[in-house]
Amino acid sequence: GAVVSQHPSRVICKSGTSVKIECRSLDFQATTMFWYRQFPKQSLMLMATSNEGSKATYEQGVEKDKFLINHASLTLSTLTVTSAHPEDSSFYICSARDFWGSTEAFFGQGTRLTVV
Amino acid sequence: GENVEQHPSTLSVQEGDSAVIKCTYSDSASNYFPWYKQELGKRPQLIIDIRSNVGEKKDQRIAVTLNKTAKHFSLHITETQPEDSAVYFCAASRPGNQFYFGTGTSLTVIP
Repeated sequence: GAVVSQHPSRVICKSGTSVKIECRSLDFQATTMFWYRQFPKQSLMLMATSNEGSKATYEQGVEKDKFLINHASLTLSTLTVTSAHPEDSSFYICSARDFWGSTEAFFGQGTRLTVV
Repeated sequence: GENVEQHPSTLSVQEGDSAVIKCTYSDSASNYFPWYKQELGKRPQLIIDIRSNVGEKKDQRIAVTLNKTAKHFSLHITETQPEDSAVYFCAASRPGNQFYFGTGTSLTVIP
């Protein structure tokens, strides 16, 4: 199947700093990528839909100024957690569907963010 | 948006028995229903999926059924094995759109 690569897999940062997470589709073009957040033993909560060349669409309750999403190309979307706080510590995971609207979604490996 | 509910949240079965996980969805426009298996700290892996024009699909020990009228779908795992232990998520999606996930079921298969 198609491959989605997410980087970094783990990151520890200090409170108040920003962290950027990259999500790349390696062998297909993804006009749309999705960002999820997962707390321990909980489900994947959709944060936002990232559209290539346009603004992201955020789910209700997700702060767009806190979680900046950029989808500059058909193979790369980035999520930047700005001014991170300990409550932002979580597992962040991206997924993508290919340009031709394949039904299956492919997931990145996830990023474990710890804010200290 | 879509609302996906999943039951049960935890499920323990003896090795060799069957496991059934059920999900309901709210958006009648959803037409794609995948099931994912997630092991701790790893990405979800697609195990089986079904489209709205199909009522049942089977792949070896795994099967999924869909009732569009009632807006519910189920995952059936037969002859369970210890390696089936994981968290399972159902999801629902409109064509080309984001997936909305159920709350997850932690399955434990007891040897």
